[in-house]
Amino acid sequence: KQEVTQIPAALSVPEGENLVLNCSFTDSAIYNLQWFRQDPGKGLTSLLLIQSSQREQTSGRLNASLDKSSGRSTLYIAASQPGDSATYLCAVRSQGGKLIFGQGTELSVKP
Amino acid sequence: DTAVSQTPKYLVTQMGNDKSIKCEQNLGHDTMYWYKQDSKKFLKIMFSYNNKELIINETVPNRFSPKSPDKAHLNLHINSLELGDSAVYFCASSQDYGSGGANEQFFGPGTRLTVL
Repeated sequence: KQEVTQIPAALSVPEGENLVLNCSFTDSAIYNLQWFRQDPGKGLTSLLLIQSSQREQTSGRLNASLDKSSGRSTLYIAASQPGDSATYLCAVRSQGGKLIFGQGTELSVKP
Repeated sequence: DTAVSQTPKYLVTQMGNDKSIKCEQNLGHDTMYWYKQDSKKFLKIMFSYNNKELIINETVPNRFSPKSPDKAHLNLHINSLELGDSAVYFCASSQDYGSGGANEQFFGPGTRLTVL
């Protein structure tokens, strides 16, 4: 049974810092991995999707990596800003298309 | 244009009532999903439909009945609501459910259901 874990559960950093969010999964038989952002009381915004055959994806200040064999992904955020404050969710996609989510990392970027 | 939309955004009702949540996507996708986010913010798949056919049913109580009149719509009907049904329900869609392609999932804004 696939399980997804995100560490840390919460993170507070000063503005301008680079930071890394971690995601691990127990079954390497995944189709892809998606990183989402969720603002309080809002829906999910897709940030990056890495296919199982890829090692990383970049979008602006965000870079996501995938090491399928070790069951790990990281989301790197460069030069963090207060507007980056949100909960970041990692999800792996497996058979049937369903996404299995981690518990999320609540990020707070202080001005 | 909203890609995945849900109505209503908020739903407050009494225990024992029956309610429905509607979802529509205008992305031309074949596969749609319902997820539940509990009070601890944990998101879990409930159902998925591909072109109006049920693909996934994650041992959800049979009080929950999804209906897909066409591939752009997936509605969720809940009978005899219980306190534990209080949660945020998210609809999502993707091109299909197979292993090929990127198949990014796009989420609706969520419906916050409160059962009193």
